Amino acid sequence: GAVVSQHPSRVICKSGTSVKIECRSLDFQATTMFWYRQFPKQSLMLMATSNEGSKATYEQGVEKDKFLINHASLTLSTLTVTSAHPEDSSFYICSASAPGTGGFYGYTFGSGTRLTVV
Amino acid sequence: LAKTTQPISMDSYEGQEVNITCSHNNIATNDYITWYQQFPSQGPRFIIQGYKTKVTNEVASLFIPADRKSSTLSLPRVSLSDTAVYYCLVGDARGSTLGRLYFGRGTQLTVWP
Repeated sequence: GAVVSQHPSRVICKSGTSVKIECRSLDFQATTMFWYRQFPKQSLMLMATSNEGSKATYEQGVEKDKFLINHASLTLSTLTVTSAHPEDSSFYICSASAPGTGGFYGYTFGSGTRLTVV
Repeated sequence: LAKTTQPISMDSYEGQEVNITCSHNNIATNDYITWYQQFPSQGPRFIIQGYKTKVTNEVASLFIPADRKSSTLSLPRVSLSDTAVYYCLVGDARGSTLGRLYFGRGTQLTVWP
């Protein structure tokens, strides 16, 4: 089945620095990937839709200049948290869907990245 | 976007059948119903998807009434390892325009020995 790999699984960074999280579709091409954020004991919140070869679409309330998304190829999307602050500490998850699968059976999620900003 | 409503939590014992119902009164014609399972510190995992009537796979069954305003995820003979959060999602991803998935609060299922 379709596999989405996310790296790193855990990262600790200092406040004010930037962190990049990678999301790769291993055995399929994904024209669209999605980034979510999940705080403890809460549900996943959709942050943005990553479109291959074009700008990402951000959900209302998500700062596009803080959460930079790049989808330069059909198998890789990156999320960069710029000037990270402790309140950005969260669990970040990406997902992808193979085009043309019909319905959305093809949505596959990465294993997530635990970001801790100290 | 169709909003979903699920119970916040459910408890069961090993070996029992668990049914989790999700309400989605505003479901659109092209929407599918999909259930995901999430363990702590992991990404959601696809369980089952359906459009109408009944769908069954090796891990669960999904019952959808004719009006499609609700759906029920049925887990037969649960075990301790089924303790997780279960999310019901409704959306359309037909063709080249893939639908964005909006997660509700989910149902925390706790299975006791």
